[in-house]
Amino acid sequence: DQQVKQNSPSLSVQEGRISILNCDYTNSMFDYFLWYKKYPAEGPTFLISISSIKDKNEDGRFTVFLNKSAKHLSLHIVPSQPGDSAVYFCAARKAGGTSYGKLTFGQGTILTVHP
Amino acid sequence: EAGVAQSPRYKIIEKRQSVAFWCNPISGHATLYWYQQILGQGPKLLIQFQNNGVVDDSQLPKDRFSAERLKGVDSTLKIQPAKLEDSAVYLCASSPAGLLSYEQYFGPGTRLTVT
Repeated sequence: DQQVKQNSPSLSVQEGRISILNCDYTNSMFDYFLWYKKYPAEGPTFLISISSIKDKNEDGRFTVFLNKSAKHLSLHIVPSQPGDSAVYFCAARKAGGTSYGKLTFGQGTILTVHP
Repeated sequence: EAGVAQSPRYKIIEKRQSVAFWCNPISGHATLYWYQQILGQGPKLLIQFQNNGVVDDSQLPKDRFSAERLKGVDSTLKIQPAKLEDSAVYLCASSPAGLLSYEQYFGPGTRLTVT
């Protein structure tokens, strides 16, 4: 049962343009959504998060949008830079319960930014 | 601040052999997680510790996998005996307790190849 899905395995954009990465979820009990970035041979690093009570969170070039009615979130990177080339994982945390803090990850999207 | 340390970085074993991975979390982080990431998929939680107690091990194949976190600091994950399908990257992560627990810090991972 895949509760968090990233349906695009890869995305290719030109430097300076916008990158939009998408994520869908099925569980209404998720209370936080996060994006992680992963370079080869390294562990994922936290990028940005959004609470389920908000619809937008911005941090520099990175903005995450949440559409609760559609159970959809997206990460916008503007402008895209070659150093942004990495695998991006969407993750969600379920509120409460004994495994507080447990994250469910999507499959990842490989972003390639061409100079 | 030192990050999450893991060793070894790479391990190749034959099926039916045993293997152990070690993780040292960020100092002061109460929560420790072990994830399995199979190629092309997102990380999947195997086990979560809060200090030295297990919070969630619902997805740990307990017939062959075991984990411990003695003294609530570093942790080991063991596989015995290994199967071909255990080939994956094993990621350790830690987080502070409390509301910020959704932000997890990952180590570089151990890439396991079972032949």
